Amino acid sequence: AQSVTQPDIHITVSEGASLELRCNYSYGATPYLFWYVQSPGQGLQLLLKYFSGDTLVQGIKGFEAEFKRSQSSFNLRKPSVHWSDAAEYFCALTGTASKLTFGTGTRLQVTL
Amino acid sequence: DTGVSQNPRHKITKRGQNVTFRCDPISEHNRLYWYRQTLGQGPEFLTYFQNEAQLEKSRLLSDRFSAERPKGSFSTLEIQRTEQGDSAMYLCASSTQTDSLYEQYFGPGTRLTVT
Repeated sequence: AQSVTQPDIHITVSEGASLELRCNYSYGATPYLFWYVQSPGQGLQLLLKYFSGDTLVQGIKGFEAEFKRSQSSFNLRKPSVHWSDAAEYFCALTGTASKLTFGTGTRLQVTL
Repeated sequence: DTGVSQNPRHKITKRGQNVTFRCDPISEHNRLYWYRQTLGQGPEFLTYFQNEAQLEKSRLLSDRFSAERPKGSFSTLEIQRTEQGDSAMYLCASSTQTDSLYEQYFGPGTRLTVT
């Protein structure tokens, strides 16, 4: 069975500080990994994805993530957080073309 | 490309009533997915279609739930005899098989409240 764990339910950072959101996965092969962001009342917006190749992937809004097979991790990072980044962040995986399996999410709060 | 749309955005219903939600995918996308998201949780997969064919159903999709995609375009999700436990956000997503194979684009969701 495949699963995604996001250990941090809630994170607070100051505007301008760096950010790292953790994601660990369990899957029998190399998964396809995603990070989505959800603002209140909004749908999910794809930030970035990893399929293969370079393990450091760049996404929109200045986000990046690094796939580490040895640690079964796909952590999301941003060097300098903006107040508009406050939202819920979801890590997800799929091994096929069907369902995505999501983590429980990390709520990011940004203090000014 | 107008994105994935869902209607209604909000639905309040009384327990025992039937409700139906609609999803219009991105026009060239042949795959359509339904997810359910409860408060404080990530979305959970319910079912997906490739064109008109429903290819996979989650165990979460009880007999009271039915989904259709009659012409391979829009889809409907019906819940019969609603229960309070059905209160959730119902998300629809679509993808194309030919490009970015595993990239799903999500709609804004339909929030269901069962009283």
